[in-house]
Amino acid sequence: QVQLVQSGAEVKMPGASVKVSCKASGYTFTAYYMHWVRQAPGQGLEWMGWINPNSGDINLAKNFQARVTMTRDTSISTAYMELSRLRSDDTAVYYCARTSGVVNSPYYYIDVWGKGTTVTVSS
Amino acid sequence: DIQMTQSPSSLSASVGDRVTITCRASQTISRYLNWYQQKPGKAPKVLIYAASSLQSGVPSRFSGSGSGTDFTLTISRLQPEDFATYYCQQSYSTPLTFGGGTKVEIK
Repeated sequence: QVQLVQSGAEVKMPGASVKVSCKASGYTFTAYYMHWVRQAPGQGLEWMGWINPNSGDINLAKNFQARVTMTRDTSISTAYMELSRLRSDDTAVYYCARTSGVVNSPYYYIDVWGKGTTVTVSS
Repeated sequence: DIQMTQSPSSLSASVGDRVTITCRASQTISRYLNWYQQKPGKAPKVLIYAASSLQSGVPSRFSGSGSGTDFTLTISRLQPEDFATYYCQQSYSTPLTFGGGTKVEIK
């Protein structure tokens, strides 16, 4: 079945970096964009950006352009999100999520989510 | 950036009630509007895409309507498993943006 398996929880010091992985299975990895969405404790959902696994092109939200890198390794169907210069307000659950388009229309939506990776930033 | 405003932010309802959640976009987004349900400790799950299309496997008591700037998610007869937080999300342009969420609680 289609699934996204994310790496395990991380605890980091302020100023450090974290790299979260997301391994796709059950579908052709390069055929669907991969997005990253985060959720701070008790808060709503915040979109970080997407990567086109086929080309490697990325599109990042302005808030993250200076600190986020998104990459992929097509040989192992895995996407990565690296967040640098961590701050306490980066403490959140980070989700990878696949978007699917609606046939014969321009609409698309997130149809598959990973279970999330908890990143805690604390000294 | 397109701002998405949901109301109410929370509501209390009983099993069997009809529940309506609204979402307003800060500019017209045609029908580029999706609805998700999230339960505590879990990832969100899509319910409705393109404003009114029901995702496969989602019960028919969920429905969506609207276009332009104003949208609605309706649960026709609330079931115990529907107590959760609901988010709208626009896919008209990046950055993709979500509403602040509506928490549906048991009365």
